Amino acid sequence: QLVLTQSPSASASLGASVKLTCTLSSGHSTYAIAWHRQQPEKAPRYLMKLNSDGSHSKGDGIPDRFSGSSSGAERYLIISSLQSEDEADYYCQTWGTGSWVFGGGTKLTVL
Amino acid sequence: EVQLVESGGGLAQPGGSLRLSCAASGFTLSTYDMHWVRQATGKGLEWVSALGSAGDTEYPDSVKGRFTISRENAKNSLYLQMNNLRAGDTAIYYCARAGDSGGAFDMWGQGTMVTVSS
Repeated sequence: QLVLTQSPSASASLGASVKLTCTLSSGHSTYAIAWHRQQPEKAPRYLMKLNSDGSHSKGDGIPDRFSGSSSGAERYLIISSLQSEDEADYYCQTWGTGSWVFGGGTKLTVL
Repeated sequence: EVQLVESGGGLAQPGGSLRLSCAASGFTLSTYDMHWVRQATGKGLEWVSALGSAGDTEYPDSVKGRFTISRENAKNSLYLQMNNLRAGDTAIYYCARAGDSGGAFDMWGQGTMVTVSS
């Protein structure tokens, strides 16, 4: 079964960097994922598509301080130079035959 | 401007029906795979339905047989017909586009709230 696992919470200081993790279930380590950010009381916003080799393509207007990388079944979202607006929920998303799946989300607190 | 705008949410009784709409602008909806995703208050995102550019549809077991996704090309719009609604269907419903990168949702609407209660 295709499942994405995310830590429920993370925190980092203003101006620092943070690395969020999304783990694909066994047997699905080659799958691409997408990262989305959802600020409080707002709709989700697409950040990037991230492939198993670490290559990624970002959405329109997403700044350079957002990047992605991959290692085995893990997919990472790296945010550098954290800003207050980055305090949000971050969801990973993937897809298989006839199904689309979200991780449970990580709530990022900017200290 | 390229955007998706949902409408049609509201209050429905258990067992009732609602039809959600999603109007696309700035691109031709029928050339993309389109989806509905919902989010209950304080919860995560849940995929609800898919409509491929070829007209194929997919649903999770939680809504299969109750929800129907469709589109009207002349209006560049996507729809979600929801029947036999349950309290557990209460959520914000978003339409989303799966872009050129395959199944990644690269555009989201602002959402419309559906409340199922007697």
